Amino acid sequence: EPEVTQTPSHQVTQMGQEVILRCVPISNHLYFYWYRQILGQKVEFLVSFYNNEISEKSEIFDDQFSVERPDGSNFTLKIRSTKLEDSAMYFCASRRRVGTGELFFGEGSRLTVL
Amino acid sequence: KQEVTQIPAALSVPEGENLVLNCSFTDSAIYNLQWFRQDPGKGLTSLLLIQSSQREQTSGRLNASLDKSSGRSTLYIAASQPGDSATYLCAVEGLNSGYALNFGKGTSLLVTP
Repeated sequence: EPEVTQTPSHQVTQMGQEVILRCVPISNHLYFYWYRQILGQKVEFLVSFYNNEISEKSEIFDDQFSVERPDGSNFTLKIRSTKLEDSAMYFCASRRRVGTGELFFGEGSRLTVL
Repeated sequence: KQEVTQIPAALSVPEGENLVLNCSFTDSAIYNLQWFRQDPGKGLTSLLLIQSSQREQTSGRLNASLDKSSGRSTLYIAASQPGDSATYLCAVEGLNSGYALNFGKGTSLLVTP
């Protein structure tokens, strides 16, 4: 069964460093998302991406964050200068269509900022 | 702003019991509601998706209902098993949220043998 894959599964970084989280969405999906979950808190929307551009972003997704689909299969989330509060599980998700389409999530990338 | 609430926050039941998890949302202008399962330290597994025009969806021992006008959904799990132990998340896709899902905090379920 097709699935969303994410790498790395866990990354530890020093505050102020740049981090890139990678995702391979399901191949025939058109809409891509990043969500995050801080330990003990609810899953929060960060950004949605369609047709090679951001379609929606939350207030969390500030100038330190960026997304890219560099080659038609990968979908990346970059955090330019990590802060302690960026420590969280980051989930990539994809789906074929919006509104009526089921959203499929990857296993997540755990980011620890020291 | 859409608020999604799940009750109870935690539930412990003996194996074999039927149980109901509740989800409520404040804005009834939604496209759909989706139930997910999350195992500790893992990703989210989609269980059921209910469109706004539907009243319920069933998959195996799971049945989810939706009452859009009152802003409520329930997830019914029949004949619970220890393998059902996980956190169950409810998420709403609102007409006013740009196709983003808005999640509840989840119900942590423990089914004891």
